[in-house]
Amino acid sequence: EVQLVVSGGGLVQPGRSLRLSCSVSGFTFDDYAMHWVRQAPGKGLEWVAGINWNSKSIGYADSVKGRFTVSRDSAQNSLYLQMNSLRVEDTAFYYCARGPPASWGPRDWFDPRGQGTLVTVSS
Amino acid sequence: QSVLTQPPSVSGAPGQRVTISCTGSSSNIGAGYDVHWYQQLPGTAPKLLLHDNNNRPSGVPDRFSGSKSGASGSLAITGLQSEDEADYYCQSYDTRVSGWVFGGGTKVTVL
Repeated sequence: EVQLVVSGGGLVQPGRSLRLSCSVSGFTFDDYAMHWVRQAPGKGLEWVAGINWNSKSIGYADSVKGRFTVSRDSAQNSLYLQMNSLRVEDTAFYYCARGPPASWGPRDWFDPRGQGTLVTVSS
Repeated sequence: QSVLTQPPSVSGAPGQRVTISCTGSSSNIGAGYDVHWYQQLPGTAPKLLLHDNNNRPSGVPDRFSGSKSGASGSLAITGLQSEDEADYYCQSYDTRVSGWVFGGGTKVTVL
């Protein structure tokens, strides 16, 4: 069974940092690009960042570019999101999602699993 | 303001057919990029419902279907059931922002 377990959320003050982790199981991690998608409470979905299977291709939404860093570790079967200079508007549920198998590009879609983690940025 | 435009809400009686539109532009759907759909039941994480316009992942009932024409996509739910009450989001790629984009979401209510 495919599982994506996200951890690391919580309450943080504006300007501080937080690191999210997504531990995967049930599929071959190296066969998939991985993405982060977020949803502010009561709002819609927003793609945040993505990374291809070998970390050679990475993309960020303009809203987080320069502040967030996505990475992955095949040995740990894990995806990470380092979030720096956090803002109140970064408050959201963060979901980990895999892309289509053996793919990275504009035609990709997301397969989010699990409940995500809530990041609250507030003073 | 979302790059892809969806109606805020649609409703229908059990057994009816409802459709949800997803209107884009020449920088996304109109540029030839596919439309994908997600279902989010109340209080749960989103779930991939359709990919590549009209492809259902394993386990998704064939009551759900999709189409794409020009710069728009559409999701149809036939034989509406109470468990279909959820928020639905479309998604594509946009060259103007060089990233993946979502619609604002549509709440489906079963009367």
